[in-house]
Amino acid sequence: AQKVTQAQTEISVVEKEDVTLDCVYETRDTTYYLFWYKQPPSGELVFLIRRNSFDEQNEISGRYSWNFQKSTSSFNFTITASQVVDSAVYFCALRVGSAGGTSYGKLTFGQGTILTVHP
Amino acid sequence: DGGITQSPKYLFRKEGQNVTLSCEQNLNHDAMYWYRQDPGQGLRLIYYSQIVNDFQKGDIAEGYSVSREKKESFPLTVTSAQKNPTAFYLCASSIGSLRGREQFFGPGTRLTVL
Repeated sequence: AQKVTQAQTEISVVEKEDVTLDCVYETRDTTYYLFWYKQPPSGELVFLIRRNSFDEQNEISGRYSWNFQKSTSSFNFTITASQVVDSAVYFCALRVGSAGGTSYGKLTFGQGTILTVHP
Repeated sequence: DGGITQSPKYLFRKEGQNVTLSCEQNLNHDAMYWYRQDPGQGLRLIYYSQIVNDFQKGDIAEGYSVSREKKESFPLTVTSAQKNPTAFYLCASSIGSLRGREQFFGPGTRLTVL
């Protein structure tokens, strides 16, 4: 079975601070995919990034960056110079790539981290 | 514009009633999914469908039913057998349930049982 843990329930920062959201995952599969989604107050989940288990290269996209480390089963997300518009719930999710298993095609979500950025 | 639509946005139901939540996508995606979100929790998979006329149970399928008669439509029925149906329901789709494909989500339906 797969599991995703986001230990930080809520984070509160002041605008322009950097903030890191933690994500730890568990799976026995060697092929898997990790995702981050943002859920603004409107409720719709917005896809941010996908990472494959065989690609540990970190990624930066504007103010966002992701640190994937298989050795610690972590996929952390950092927002640099946070803005009020970054306030949302952020979800980390895991999907295994094994064909034929019951978990094929299923996303396992963490419980989410509520980020509040104050002006 | 391509996307996923869900209706209604808010739905109120009396105990003992069945209700159907609509989900439509015009992205030409093969796979569609239904998730349930409770306050302070992540999303949990109810049902998913990889192709038309085929669907599989997720982690919490009891008290729910689905159909997939058309590629673009995947309605979810919340039956009276669902003991605690008040929640936020999200529909999603992806190109296929193949490896790594991200899922795109609709705006959600908030169901309240009175």
